[in-house]
Amino acid sequence: QQQVKQSPQSLIVQKGGISIINCAYENTAFDYFPWYQQFPGKGPALLIAIRPDVSEKKEGRFTISFNKSAKQFSLHIMDSQPGDSATYFCAARGAGGGNKLTFGTGTQLKVEL
Amino acid sequence: DGGITQSPKYLFRKEGQNVTLSCEQNLNHDAMYWYRQDPGQGLRLIYYSQIVNDFQKGDIAEGYSVSREKKESFPLTVTSAQKNPTAFYLCASTLSSIYGYTFGSGTRLTVV
Repeated sequence: QQQVKQSPQSLIVQKGGISIINCAYENTAFDYFPWYQQFPGKGPALLIAIRPDVSEKKEGRFTISFNKSAKQFSLHIMDSQPGDSATYFCAARGAGGGNKLTFGTGTQLKVEL
Repeated sequence: DGGITQSPKYLFRKEGQNVTLSCEQNLNHDAMYWYRQDPGQGLRLIYYSQIVNDFQKGDIAEGYSVSREKKESFPLTVTSAQKNPTAFYLCASTLSSIYGYTFGSGTRLTVV
């Protein structure tokens, strides 16, 4: 019930292409869905987040698409750049208090020239 | 600049020894969290604290202990009871439910 399933595990995209990472959840009580970006040896940094009453949110080249009925959400990175090469985690916040996040298993993105 | 400081960055310990990881924040955040990161498993919650002198177990608390004596500090002790302690440990904090986490840079613990 508390799992967030993330795919793919790794992704290689050409510079200028679109990177797409998908996540799915079971717990309908989740009420906040952030994406984090992590570079090697560093802590994750908040990239973009969405609430379940919104179907899409865009910030620059990064877009979250949210499908509440399918319990799925995805991150799209437009015009992918080598500097976007990092590990991306989706997460979901439970409604049970504590502001706890459940994280997906991560996607290692490599953007090639 | 405000942020979260984790120290040390790398830590080596012999099997059977307890070790304490430091986490300090100057963001005036109320809630603090410890996560463990292993390859292919994402981040798993160890302990969290919403206020001083109070903390709750996360999903994988066995073999770990914490304290929250000051708002700024949330140290994690990895005890000898933790069967597989080698991992990357991340500390995070947040102001309230409408904000995301701020993470520290992590401590990589290796037990030999």
